[in-house]
Amino acid sequence: ELVLTQSPGTLSLSPGERATLSCRASQSVSNNYLAWYQQKVGQAPRLLIYGASSRATGIPDRFSGSGSGTDFTLTISRLEPEDFAVYYCQQYGTSSITFGPGTKVDIK
Amino acid sequence: QVRLVQSGAEVKKPGSSVKISCKASGGSFTSYPLNWVRQAPGQGLEWMGGINPILQRANYGEKFQGRVTITAERSTTTAYMELSSLRSEDTAVYYCVSAPAAFDYWGQGTLLTVSS
Repeated sequence: ELVLTQSPGTLSLSPGERATLSCRASQSVSNNYLAWYQQKVGQAPRLLIYGASSRATGIPDRFSGSGSGTDFTLTISRLEPEDFAVYYCQQYGTSSITFGPGTKVDIK
Repeated sequence: QVRLVQSGAEVKKPGSSVKISCKASGGSFTSYPLNWVRQAPGQGLEWMGGINPILQRANYGEKFQGRVTITAERSTTTAYMELSSLRSEDTAVYYCVSAPAAFDYWGQGTLLTVSS
């Protein structure tokens, strides 16, 4: 099974700051089929990025994804109050889809 | 845009089974895989399995093999996830997810509580 590791576990930042979240895979992610999701308390996750770097419909351009192979990054250029949430990476390049454990972005 | 509406909360006893439904509307039911993801209280996301509604072919996560069955009815555009031999660790919110690009569209979630 392809294991995803996310770092840091928690990121404490202020509104307006830049957030950089990391996702590392135990083996290369096929076709860069790597996605990022945002989840707020009591809500279903929301797709932000797919294919490592493509923004989903309606996602603001302050969210960007990069990386390939085993190392991927989600960047939020300037944090808005509504961006404080938990972020998960996911690989869907194998028949056994896996998620990372998540990074919580909270207010400093 | 696909809309997914799931059945309501369930309370089950250990050892029993549960079947959760997911009604799709607003898009082509057969165009995209339909997956199931669960989230235990305070925990992360866990993929359980998915189905191709055209081929009626399902694949399951290794952890759930033999205990989960995912089906899809084209006539009613409804998918189902049945989980058997329930235990307390199965207490979680269960989501159905439509996957055009990645996991694009999520149902509202169904809370399953397993308790004696």
